[in-house]
Order: sequence, then C-alpha cells, then structure tokens
Amino acid sequence: QTVVTQEPSFSVSPGGTVTLTCGLSSASVSTSYYPSWYQQTPGQAPRTLIYRTSTRSSGVPDRFSGSILGNKAALTITGAQADDESDYYCMLYMGSGTWVFGGGTKLTVL
Amino acid sequence: QVQLVESGGGVVQPGGSLRLSCAASGFTFSSYAMHWVRQPPGKGLEWVTFVQHHGTTQYYADSVKGRFTVSRDNSKNTLYLQMSSLRPEDTAVYYCAKDENWSADQWGQGTLVTVSS
Repeated sequence: QTVVTQEPSFSVSPGGTVTLTCGLSSASVSTSYYPSWYQQTPGQAPRTLIYRTSTRSSGVPDRFSGSILGNKAALTITGAQADDESDYYCMLYMGSGTWVFGGGTKLTVL
Repeated sequence: QVQLVESGGGVVQPGGSLRLSCAASGFTFSSYAMHWVRQPPGKGLEWVTFVQHHGTTQYYADSVKGRFTVSRDNSKNTLYLQMSSLRPEDTAVYYCAKDENWSADQWGQGTLVTVSS
C-alpha cells in the first residue's frame, strides 16, 4: 500500500522560512507524480496553493513555492505570517487514475 | 469566478444510500475533469473519485470501489456522487473539486455525510 509521508508538525517564526516535504514510502517523488499542495484552516474547505509541482494557483502569493528537493516534493513558505498557521496537505498522482493525500502537516507560526 | 456548491448530505443508516450533487458555475464545466475528496471529522483528506470531462471514464479509491458511482450531467453543469452500502467509516465532509493538471484546483465548501444508526 502506497503511503505518502509528511511531517506531522512544524514550527516557524514570523518572517521566517519553512520547507514542508512530501515523500513516498517506497519510491522517489518526481514531477511525474504531479505533486500539489493544499492549505486548510479549521472548519474551512481546502485551498489549493500549488499544482503540477511548482505552479501557483490563482491568487496565491509568491511567498509560497513548490519544488522537488532530493527525492521529495517540497513546499516552501518565505516570510511566514501569522495567518499561514494551518494544516498543509500534499497530494500525488499515482498513475492509473488514482491520487493519494499525505497525512498533513500542522504548521505553527510563533 | 469559479463556484462549486455541494448538496445532498445528511444522516443515513449503515447500509443505506445517498446521492450528493455539486453545482458548478463560473467556468466551462464540460471541459474539465472533476474530483470528489472527503475528510472524516478531525482527520485528513482522502481522495475518493475522479471523472473525465466527458463522463465516460471514472476512477475510484479502493475504499469506495464497487459502492460509490460518480457521474456528471454537462447540460446541467452538475457533478454527482451516488453512494450505496454506506458504512460508519464513510462519515465525512465530502468536497467536489475542479481538476487542473492532475490536481484538485478549485474546491466547494463541502457537505457532511453521517452514517449512523
């Protein structure tokens, strides 16, 4: 069974930079997995930040960026703000018309 | 702007059925594939199903295969999710989302399905 791994939690200081990662239990993540990233605050629907590895969704500020770092997909937040405190999920396309979400990272800004 | 509005959620007994709808506006619905994604209370996101823009090709997560059916009516700009043989573990908020480059792009606000006796 495919497992998509994310850090359960992360902390960043206001104004700081943080990189969240998205890996696979048994393979390296590449652009072929079309990694995407989502932000969700409690009680709200997810908001798409990044799709196709590094393309920002409409209206997403450029302090959010996506990339491949080593064998994982990565979401980097530069100049973290208080309202970036959220849950962040990655999703990978596994082929054969199926997708899998990671377990999510709870980001704290303090 | 893109708007997706889910409806049809509610409380249903185990073994029962329910049909969710997702009304789309603000984009050419017939040109885009669509996803359903769910989120159990207090837990993470789970991809459920995908349907191509023409509606003739669908894919499902193993957890719902054989029990859920996705369909769409492009003339009504509406996406559907027919759920049957429902189980308590199907309890979740169900979101529809517009596909963009093999990702979920725009999302609806979700509709809550509770499976309980």
